Amino acid sequence: QKEVEQDPGPLSVPEGAIVSLNCTYSNSAFQYFMWYRQYSRKGPELLMYTYSSGNKEDGRFTAQVDKSSKYISLFIRDSQPSDSATYLCAMSGTNAGKSTFGDGTTLTVKP
Amino acid sequence: DTAVSQTPKYLVTQMGNDKSIKCEQNLGHDTMYWYKQDSKKFLKIMFSYNNKELIINETVPNRFSPKSPDKAHLNLHINSLELGDSAVYFCASSQRSRAETQYFGPGTRLLVL
Repeated sequence: QKEVEQDPGPLSVPEGAIVSLNCTYSNSAFQYFMWYRQYSRKGPELLMYTYSSGNKEDGRFTAQVDKSSKYISLFIRDSQPSDSATYLCAMSGTNAGKSTFGDGTTLTVKP
Repeated sequence: DTAVSQTPKYLVTQMGNDKSIKCEQNLGHDTMYWYKQDSKKFLKIMFSYNNKELIINETVPNRFSPKSPDKAHLNLHINSLELGDSAVYFCASSQRSRAETQYFGPGTRLLVL
């Protein structure tokens, strides 16, 4: 079983929809939780990170971490066609540089 | 100004050849990384260097050898290329104290025929 499981997708939503992207994990030592966005044929770009449990908001994006359930989510409000990309969750323990990634969820937002 | 750059962008080569990929960052970071992304988009860390010292060395065949001449550069040399080495290789950088915040390069697409 993989340490990090990500909802596989693909996901297709109309513009303006609220999108929920989710990952579960098995390693209780994970402390850092990251979300990356990767456009086609580009490098991953860090969207947000959270340390330990809780919520973090940045514009239309909200990251949630529930360590008791070993579950993390990224919510995108008022989704735009420019949000169409693959979203990768990543997690690490005390060595924040050694991240374990999910397989990615490809999102398409249709105008 | 490109923050993390990689050369070449594309690499097509025959099995058995040796090739190198270069990475440079101008962000003033002290830590650099190599990742491999397979055809299913799975991203896995291979190596990390901090100030020219190897600090992460995942289970990677000995044919892969990273080298960091200084903290702004990290190269990856691959010997005796195999079909399974075909992937996109990403370089990334961060401050070691902020390793959760990594900046990725554009990737090098390697195809081994």
